[in-house]
Order: sequence, then C-alpha cells, then structure tokens
Amino acid sequence: DIQMTQSPPSLSASLGETVSIECRASEDIYSNLAWYQQKSGKSPQLLIYYASSLQDGVPSRFSGSGSGTQYSLKISGMQPEDEGVYYCLQGSKYPLTFGSGTKLEIK
Amino acid sequence: QVKLLQSGAALVKPGASVKMSCKASGYTFTDYWVSWVKQSHGKSLEWIGEIYPNSGATNFNEKFKGKATLTVDKSTSTAYMELSRLTSEDSAIYYCTRSDTLDYWGQGVMVTVSS
Repeated sequence: DIQMTQSPPSLSASLGETVSIECRASEDIYSNLAWYQQKSGKSPQLLIYYASSLQDGVPSRFSGSGSGTQYSLKISGMQPEDEGVYYCLQGSKYPLTFGSGTKLEIK
Repeated sequence: QVKLLQSGAALVKPGASVKMSCKASGYTFTDYWVSWVKQSHGKSLEWIGEIYPNSGATNFNEKFKGKATLTVDKSTSTAYMELSRLTSEDSAIYYCTRSDTLDYWGQGVMVTVSS
C-alpha cells in the first residue's frame, strides 16, 4: 500500500497567517492527490483534487501544489472557519490511502 | 444538489452483522462509483472499498475483504454496506462518498459494537 506521511500533526496559526501542510507519498502518485477539511463532528469536505484543482465553492485562499511524491496545501490568510483537521488522500493506486491528519487551530 | 443521505446510528452485539444505507440524489447514481470510508474514534480515515452502481463491480481494501459487503439498488439510487462478524474494532463512523475524487460525503453512520 502507498503510505502517506502528513506533517505537521498539529498547527496553530494567527488570523491572516499563511499556513502550509505537507504530504509525502511512499511512491510517485502522479498528482492523484486530494485534500480534505474535516470540522468537528462533520463529514470531510473536498478542498483540492488532482493536487492543485480547487473544488467548486472552496475559497481561493486554499491552494495545492506538488508532484511526484511531495505535495502541499497552503492557506493564504487563516480565517476562523479554517479550524479543523486536514487530510490528504492518494488516489493513484488501490487501496486509496489517507494521511494521518493535521489539526489546525487558531492561535 | 448532490446529496448522500445515510441511515441512522446502530448499536450491535459482538458477532452480529449490520447493514447501512446511503441514498443518493442530485446526480445520475449509475454514473459514479460509491466509496465507503471508516473513521475510528479520533483517528484518521480508512478506505474500505467502492462499488460501481451500473455494473455492481467492486474494488476493496484487502483489510476489509470478508468484513464488508457492498451492494446497490439502482431503482432507489441507494448503496448499501454490510459489516459482518462485528468486534469492538468495528466501532467507528462509516461514511459513503462519491468517487473518484470523493467529492461528496454522507453524514456518516456511527456503529457501536457492544454487548
């Protein structure tokens, strides 16, 4: 199985701060990488797919980049509603596998 | 708009089975795979498997083969997952989600395995 190593496990950011979360795959996943946000008690919501495509309705302060085995999610200007847990997902090879999550809080 | 409406929470005894549903609306059910995802308490997400409603074809995470059975009812646009021989390790929230980018998710079903 492809292992997704996500970092950092937790992060605290001030309002307006730019935040980055990383995911490293154990092998090349050819940009088949998605990012999800999960707020407390809610289902995950898709933010970014195919590494850098913004899902409809997602604010433009979210962006994704990367290729090969290294990917990142950037939030340009932290907002209160961005608190939650963020997960990456690789869809290159079965079984699909998720990162372990990054808990993002307001400082 | 796309919606996936899941059945309610379940409390089941060890060794028993549970079957949960996921009713899709707002899109052509037979055009998209439906995936199922497990989230144990306070933990990350695990992909269980997926089913293509048009043909019934499935793909599974090896870890869940023999544990999960996926079916669909095209007439009602509903996907089902049955979990068998339940143990405490199966206590979790289970989500259905539309593949391939897992773009829409159901609200989740909390399954508690307890005697």
